[in-house]
Amino acid sequence: QLQLQESGPGLVKPSETLSLTCTVSGGSISSRDYYWAWIRQPPGKGLEWIGNVYYSGTTYYNPSLRSRLTISLDIFRSQFSLRLSSVTAADTAVYHCARVEGLCSSRSCTGQMDVWGKGTTVIVSS
Amino acid sequence: SYELTQPPSVSVSPGQTATITCSGHKLGDQHACWYQEKPGQSPVLVIYQDYKRPSGIPERFSGSNSGDTATLTISGTQAIDEAEYYCQAWDSSTVVFGGGTKLTVL
Repeated sequence: QLQLQESGPGLVKPSETLSLTCTVSGGSISSRDYYWAWIRQPPGKGLEWIGNVYYSGTTYYNPSLRSRLTISLDIFRSQFSLRLSSVTAADTAVYHCARVEGLCSSRSCTGQMDVWGKGTTVIVSS
Repeated sequence: SYELTQPPSVSVSPGQTATITCSGHKLGDQHACWYQEKPGQSPVLVIYQDYKRPSGIPERFSGSNSGDTATLTISGTQAIDEAEYYCQAWDSSTVVFGGGTKLTVL
């Protein structure tokens, strides 16, 4: 059974870079049928999509975060990672990784997040 | 940017039918899906491709999508269905979530 596990520092200082890793077990991260996603949820608020990465390395980012965001994938380690620079208190959230079952054409994407990690809390504070 | 609008809250009595809507411009022209999130837990996919149920999701969960509105229906609502529900769709290659609906089973 596929499992995803987030890991990384729970506390990050303002202006620094937030780095998280999602380890995928029980399935292949290099499957062409799936994308891999990061989603976050600030305290008391709703879900916010951060971005997706495909096995080929192709990435799709939330436009509001694009200038600070890098998502990458390491097939050999069966991991994908998130780096968010210049963080502020507004980046405090529970960060989830998830598998997206879907596909993208040249014009659009479709799909749903069918497996989620348990999430990890990241607090931005000095 | 594309927006999905959900009512902040819906209340239902046990055994009755709960209906949660998700509105977006021409939402019916694409697939919508729904997630259930309980406190302290990760979201769970309950409906995908408008009306399909993943394995393990009870039959009382159903969905539809037409025009500008996708709808999640829970028939014979149970206390365990009390949760936050999020719809999700796409704006080209970006994922869009609705703001969430708190379902209260009174």
